[in-house]
Amino acid sequence: EPEVTQTPSHQVTQMGQEVILRCVPISNHLYFYWYRQILGQKVEFLVSFYNNEISEKSEIFDDQFSVERPDGSNFTLKIRSTKLEDSAMYFCASSEAAGTGNQPQHFGDGTRLSIL
Amino acid sequence: DAKTTQPNSMESNEEEPVHLPCNHSTISGTDYIHWYRQLPSQGPEYVIHGLTSNVNNRMASLAIAEDRKSSTLILHRATLRDAAVYYCILRDLSLGAGNMLTFGGGTRLMVKP
Repeated sequence: EPEVTQTPSHQVTQMGQEVILRCVPISNHLYFYWYRQILGQKVEFLVSFYNNEISEKSEIFDDQFSVERPDGSNFTLKIRSTKLEDSAMYFCASSEAAGTGNQPQHFGDGTRLSIL
Repeated sequence: DAKTTQPNSMESNEEEPVHLPCNHSTISGTDYIHWYRQLPSQGPEYVIHGLTSNVNNRMASLAIAEDRKSSTLILHRATLRDAAVYYCILRDLSLGAGNMLTFGGGTRLMVKP
């Protein structure tokens, strides 16, 4: 069964450094998402992306965050200057075309980001 | 997305059925009821969704109350692998409602051998 893959599984970065989290969505999917989960807390939506542009974003997704689909297969989340509070699990997800609320989202197993 | 209420935790014995309840008294006519689960150290996983009628798939069944103000996810024979946090999420199909999933705290299901 096709799956969403994320790399790396664990990323350790010094505060203030830039970090890029990578995702390969399911190949025929057209909607892409990033969520995060701080340890012991709820899964929170960050951003959705369709047709090479952001379609929705949450208050968490401020100017320090950006997303890109550089080559038609990868989907990346960049944090420009990391803060301690960015430490979390980051999940990528994708869903099929016709982005309606009826389409299931398929999640990767996440990247654990640790900011020192 | 409209609010849902789920018990914080439930316990089940292995190979017995499990009924996970969800209340969504403010559900609107355009809300679909979705269930996801999150196994330890994994991302959320889609389980099932429905609108008005009961639904079955290979993972579970979804029973929806006639007034749609509550629903129940049914695992017919719980296995140890079903130990996870189960999330009940309402998704609005209205034009422009957006595609984000809004996760609550979910129900932590513990399965005893």
